Amino acid sequence: DAKTTQPNSMESNEEEPVHLPCNHSTISGTDYIHWYRQLPSQGPEYVIHGLTSNVNNRMASLAIAEDRKSSTLILHRATLRDAAVYYCILRAFNTNAGKSTFGDGTTLTVKP
Amino acid sequence: DGGITQSPKYLFRKEGQNVTLSCEQNLNHDAMYWYRQDPGQGLRLIYYSQIVNDFQKGDIAEGYSVSREKKESFPLTVTSAQKNPTAFYLCASSMPQGAVSTEAFFGQGTRLTVV
Repeated sequence: DAKTTQPNSMESNEEEPVHLPCNHSTISGTDYIHWYRQLPSQGPEYVIHGLTSNVNNRMASLAIAEDRKSSTLILHRATLRDAAVYYCILRAFNTNAGKSTFGDGTTLTVKP
Repeated sequence: DGGITQSPKYLFRKEGQNVTLSCEQNLNHDAMYWYRQDPGQGLRLIYYSQIVNDFQKGDIAEGYSVSREKKESFPLTVTSAQKNPTAFYLCASSMPQGAVSTEAFFGQGTRLTVV
C-alpha cells in the first residue's frame, strides 16, 4: 500500500472549522483516498472517500489536491463528539475494504 | 439493526491459556477481518477471510488462529504462543473486492488483558 503521512495531533475550538491534512505523495492512479475516524474505545467508522474530485457528505468534506499528492478532511463545525483519531488511508480500486493499512492517524482534540 | 457484534467487551486471561474472541455480523458480507490495536497506535491486520472456509494471514498472524465455518461468524483464538496478547482487538467486515460499497464496518472491539 502507498504510504500516508498525517500530523500526530491537532486541536480545534468547538463550532469552528477543522482542516485535517494528509500527504500521500506516492499515490497511484487507481488509489482511492479514504478517511475513517475512531472514537475512544470504539471501532473505526467510515467518514468519506474520493478519487479526484472534492466530495461532500453529511459528516464532512474531502478536498483533494489537483496532483492528488495530498488531501484535506474538513469538518465544517467541530463538536465535542468529533474528538477522535482520524485515519487517512489509500486503497486501490478493486481491493478488499478491510485490508487497508491504518497508520497512527491524527488525534483531534476539540476544546469547548 | 445490521452490524457487527464482538463479545465480550472486556476479557481477562491467565498467562498460558488460549482464549477465543467472538465476532458475528448480520450485514451479509463475504469478507471479514481481525485487527490488533496497541495503545496510541494504528491497526494491524491479523487474519482476513474473503469467503466461508477460507482465510489468509495478515501482517501479524503468529500466535493467533481463526476459523470461518459460517458466513456470519469469524472467531479469533489467541493462543498461548502469542508473546504479548494484551491489546484491543477489532473485527470488521466488508463486501468482497470489486463490490460497489467501499467501506469496512467495524465492531466495538474486545479489550484483552493477560493477568
